[in-house]
Amino acid sequence: AQSVTQLGSHVSVSEGALVLLRCNYSSSVPPYLFWYVQYPNQGLQLLLKYTSAATLVKGINGFEAEFKKSETSFHLTKPSAHMSDAAEYFCAVGGQFYFGTGTSLTVIP
Amino acid sequence: GAVVSQHPSWVICKSGTSVKIECRSLDFQATTMFWYRQFPKQSLMLMATSNEGSKATYEQGVEKDKFLINHASLTLSTLTVTSAHPEDSSFYICSARQGMSLRGYTFGSGTRLTVV
Repeated sequence: AQSVTQLGSHVSVSEGALVLLRCNYSSSVPPYLFWYVQYPNQGLQLLLKYTSAATLVKGINGFEAEFKKSETSFHLTKPSAHMSDAAEYFCAVGGQFYFGTGTSLTVIP
Repeated sequence: GAVVSQHPSWVICKSGTSVKIECRSLDFQATTMFWYRQFPKQSLMLMATSNEGSKATYEQGVEKDKFLINHASLTLSTLTVTSAHPEDSSFYICSARQGMSLRGYTFGSGTRLTVV
């Protein structure tokens, strides 16, 4: 069975501050892990994905995530938050894509 | 890149009627498509997995007769909400997988269904 847990349903950061969104996974096989962003009333946009290659994955819009097997984590980070980063973020584990509960990111000007 | 088109984006229907939502892979063949449901402020819940030419596999608790899924071609899957009720109002999202690669998932833009 596969699942992901996102710690913190709401995260607020100041503009320019570090963004850290947490995701822990559970998987009996080597996982494929994904981060998606969702803007209001829209579908999902892929930020980045881990597919057993490099453990540090760089995605779009300056986001990156590091796969840590020992911690079963795949946290999403961005060095400097922009106002446009305010959205809902979902961590997911493949193949059938079981999603975490999501983290709503608010960026404070 | 791979594109998945979902139509309609918004639909309002009366209770008791049926609504069909289409999910098309525009530039690739999708052997597998997935349907999700998302309630406000909540995560996406996988409803069913649809394989071309075979019956969909529904997640536990999803009514097969209520949510009819058809994947008649490699580029089209449809979700029909039958005899819709207000509690069926939700945001429905499809995704398509290109081939068997776990890397090739693309999501549609979603359909907001409101049943009045």
